[in-house]
Amino acid sequence: GAGVSQSPSNKVTEKGKDVELRCDPISGHTALYWYRQSLGQGLEFLIYFQGNSAPDKSGLPSDRFSAERTGGSVSTLTIQRTQQEDSAVYLCASSLWLPGQGRLSEQFFGPGTRLTVL
Amino acid sequence: KQEVTQIPAALSVPEGENLVLNCSFTDSAIYNLQWFRQDPGKGLTSLLLIQSSQREQTSGRLNASLDKSSGRSTLYIAASQPGDSATYLCAVGTTGFQKLVFGTGTRLLVSP
Repeated sequence: GAGVSQSPSNKVTEKGKDVELRCDPISGHTALYWYRQSLGQGLEFLIYFQGNSAPDKSGLPSDRFSAERTGGSVSTLTIQRTQQEDSAVYLCASSLWLPGQGRLSEQFFGPGTRLTVL
Repeated sequence: KQEVTQIPAALSVPEGENLVLNCSFTDSAIYNLQWFRQDPGKGLTSLLLIQSSQREQTSGRLNASLDKSSGRSTLYIAASQPGDSATYLCAVGTTGFQKLVFGTGTRLLVSP
């Protein structure tokens, strides 16, 4: 079956431009996460969506970052007025609610989008 | 604030050796712990997930243990192979929705 997919795989942009990164989670997965992996900071949580609940945005580094999830499936992470420090690999993950166990499954990650801000 | 540390940062072993990767965390109030591998330029592949109520999980040549009280987890790899070469990351789930806090990773190289 299809895993988590992300597009584009690579994005080069100029400082000050806006970028949109897309994530398609595994079909049926209700939880969706965005993480960022950079050389200086390692892998860090950005935002989490679960069903119709309000997203947890506690990891977003600034108000230039926003994300939405449409129809409980596809998610878009938007970075406005990009800065060089935004250069990183942006990873998306999804997980499945396991009703019999009352918990979420492990997280399944996509291949990431490598963002380079010149 | 939960902090996750992995030791060693890098490890180089000959093929066939058994090895142990270590992960420590500062807050024992965790929901679960997950081990991943990451190949260069690729995303993360989940290896094992241990719930907070469990002590260990096994998958093939991999065994992960969890000791919440001491804030430690170990990943044991038996009979290592060159294909095991990758970066191994542990991640602590801090709430019911598994917001993950990642360790710094161990880069493993298994030589033929």
